[in-house]
Amino acid sequence: ETGVTQSPTHLIKTRGQQVTLRCSSQSGHNTVSWYQQALGQGPQFIFQYYREEENGRGNFPPRFSGLQFPNYSSELNVNALELDDSALYLCASSLIQAGGREQFFGPGTRLTVL
Amino acid sequence: GESVGLHLPTLSVQEGDNSIINCAYSNSASDYFIWYKQESGKGPQFIIDIRSNMDKRQGQRVTVLLNKTVKHLSLQIAATQPGDSAVYFCAESSNTGNQFYFGTGTSLTVIP
Repeated sequence: ETGVTQSPTHLIKTRGQQVTLRCSSQSGHNTVSWYQQALGQGPQFIFQYYREEENGRGNFPPRFSGLQFPNYSSELNVNALELDDSALYLCASSLIQAGGREQFFGPGTRLTVL
Repeated sequence: GESVGLHLPTLSVQEGDNSIINCAYSNSASDYFIWYKQESGKGPQFIIDIRSNMDKRQGQRVTVLLNKTVKHLSLQIAATQPGDSAVYFCAESSNTGNQFYFGTGTSLTVIP
């Protein structure tokens, strides 16, 4: 186990709703990255947070937003949910002073949008 | 955008045999590569990494080969065990390393 935890494990929402996913990073890590993994696909980078600010973003619309808290935990918020948002959402923590290259993943939150 | 792909979506090997999983990438600026293992219901688990200034790196039972000329990466698993059954992803990044691009994945099945 990596020490990265995510909640909830599963979630069902309907189109148009909003959702908040949570992640607690591994002890000592200061950077959190969020990924979306569609069924049968590799994870796709959404964004990264460092020092409570966004530190890089992938090709996702603004309705995907995030927060990082002083204890380095993080939230992923998705507004106006669409059917294609159904996926496994993964967070990964790393220590940016160590180069931030080795990322430790949590088990993910499975989001289903109906 | 980035393009990281795997040659074979599935691979079946006999227990004890060696496994080779291949990956192609398209960004010549990529300078860091990671292989991840993902078991059902779990997040990706780091296996081994390699930087672009190397062409080979070995770990415990695993070896990663990097051919920058043809933008190809491979993961070799020696003496494959049933516990190695999983989906394997290659991922690459460049420069700051805060964004990783993952391939689609190869599903490895080890036959006892």
